Parts: sequence; C-alpha cells; structure tokens
Amino acid sequence: DAKTTQPPSMDCAEGRAANLPCNHSTISGNEYVYWYRQIHSQGPQYIIHGLKNNETNEMASLIITEDRKSSTLILPHATLRDTAVYYCIVSLANNYGQNFVFGPGTRLSVLP
Amino acid sequence: ETGVTQSPTHLIKTRGQQVTLRCSSQSGHNTVSWYQQALGQGPQFIFQYYREEENGRGNFPPRFSGLQFPNYSSELNVNALELDDSALYLCASTVGGTQYFGPGTRLLVL
Repeated sequence: DAKTTQPPSMDCAEGRAANLPCNHSTISGNEYVYWYRQIHSQGPQYIIHGLKNNETNEMASLIITEDRKSSTLILPHATLRDTAVYYCIVSLANNYGQNFVFGPGTRLSVLP
Repeated sequence: ETGVTQSPTHLIKTRGQQVTLRCSSQSGHNTVSWYQQALGQGPQFIFQYYREEENGRGNFPPRFSGLQFPNYSSELNVNALELDDSALYLCASTVGGTQYFGPGTRLLVL
C-alpha cells in the first residue's frame, strides 16, 4: 500500500497557484518525498523531491512541514498544460533497492 | 527528455502468447525498474535490475521476467499472457535516487 494520502481531484483556475497536499504520517527519517505527474497515458514526469527543507526548481516548489508528516506541491502559475495526475511518493533515495509505491494520485484540472 | 526510450509504443497480443518489451536508458544508469499501470490506477512495481541482477520484485508471478544488458538496455518478458495483463508498461532508470520514466508501451491482450 502507498504510504501517502492525496485528495482524488482538484480544480485550479489558469494563472493561479495550484497547491496540492499530501499526507505521509508514517514517513521515516531517511525517506524523501517525491512528486511526479502523469499527463494522459504518458510516462510519469519527475517534478521535485525533498527531505526536510523546502525545495524550489523551475517547475514547482515543495513545502514540507516541520514534523515531515505532510507536504504541499505548489505550481505557482498553473497553465492548461499542468492538467495531469500528480503523485506524491515517499521513498529512500539510493541508486538501487527501492521501488516507488504509487497511490491513485490527485487529478488536477486547470480551468480556463 | 529523460533519456529513457521504450519500444514498441503499442502492441496487441492474444491470450496465451508471449511478449517482450524493451527499454533503453543512458550510459551509466545502472538501475532499471519496470512498472505495470492498469487503466485508471497508479503504476505498480514489477521488478528492478541493478548491474544485470534482479534486485527486488513486486507481487507479480514468475511468468513476468526480465533481463538487463551491459549496454544499459533491458527487457520485460511476459509469458502465457492473460487478459488482465493489458496495461501500460513503464520502465524507469535511477540516477541519484530519482527515477526517470520512459514513455511506456501500451499492451492490449485480446
């Protein structure tokens, strides 16, 4: 079973920030939080990951609570192309041995 | 671009047949993982290969098998196909703990 809980769906107006929550209350100290998205029938696309600190890249920001039991992915200015299923995953970060356990994710619809 | 390619993009087989799906990743990517994604669900882990050895397996029967080659390509083989094997099959190569996925192969079993 996935170690994360996400809302099944969310809507966001184009141009506004999309804030996607994820609960991971059983995360262990050496597990990272990863975010991926999947646009219809394509392979999942890596967005961002983090351990404790907030992270930002050209795609998104990741806010992790101090107790690490939840996180939020922020798309600062959502566009129609951001419509996708977003997956939050917790996993060790090494080059072998770990597999990603995907839940059903959050289906984000960006509305014009 | 992830540098991970898969072939073929689509495939139709009949029940009982065998299928081989292929994946190619970038030089130096020693770990490859395979996932099955049924319609409307998240990907499910099948198995992982590290330096040509199986290094972890999900809850899939032995008729799902794989190979990894020295040139960073890999194969997923499925024998005795069943209707429920119809799915999107994804491979991913791992770099620094992050998995980068290919575009997938969509398999339809009739």
